[in-house]
Amino acid sequence: EVQLLESGGGLVQPGGSLRLSCEASGFIFRNFAMNWVRLAPGKGPEWVSYVSVSGDTTFYRDSVKGRFFISRDNSRSTVHLQMHRLSDEDTAMYYCTREPVATPPYGIDYWGLGTLVTVSS
Amino acid sequence: EIVMTQSPATLSVSPGGRATLSCRASQTLSSNLAWYQHKPGQTPRLLIYGGSIRATGIPARFSGSGSETEFTLTISSLQSEDSAIYYCHQYYIWPRTFGQGTKVEIK
Repeated sequence: EVQLLESGGGLVQPGGSLRLSCEASGFIFRNFAMNWVRLAPGKGPEWVSYVSVSGDTTFYRDSVKGRFFISRDNSRSTVHLQMHRLSDEDTAMYYCTREPVATPPYGIDYWGLGTLVTVSS
Repeated sequence: EIVMTQSPATLSVSPGGRATLSCRASQTLSSNLAWYQHKPGQTPRLLIYGGSIRATGIPARFSGSGSETEFTLTISSLQSEDSAIYYCHQYYIWPRTFGQGTKVEIK
């Protein structure tokens, strides 16, 4: 069974930092790209960042470029999202998601349960 | 950025009825469109990818259609467990984007 278990969320002051982690199990982690997607109350989901299977290709949405950094450790089946200079606009549930590498592309096929990030003074 | 517009925002349907959810993209997506079901407290579930391909284990009452900029998710013979928010998602162009969601309620 595919499982994605996020951790590291919490309450942080504006300008602060957090590091989210996602532990994957139930599949061959190194064969899948990974994304972080966030969902704020009353809004639709917002894609945040992508990392390729090897970790050498990453993408970010404009609003987090230069503040958020995604990485993965294939030996530990984990993906991380380091977040700096957080603002209240970053408050959301953050989901770790899996993306098969396929032609034609699949998009995201599995999501975790999420970890809540609250930015507030 | 491709803007995804879903309609209606809320849909109320009787058990056994049909729900038709729309998703419009501001640019062509070819068929790189997915639909997700999200229930409170649960992880979002992939229903449809490639615009019309049902994901593994998804009941046949869920069907997707459309291409380019206009897509539809149809839930035929609605059941009580189908009460959820449904999101469309384009994975054709970076940044990936999602619609705002359609909430399906059972009358």
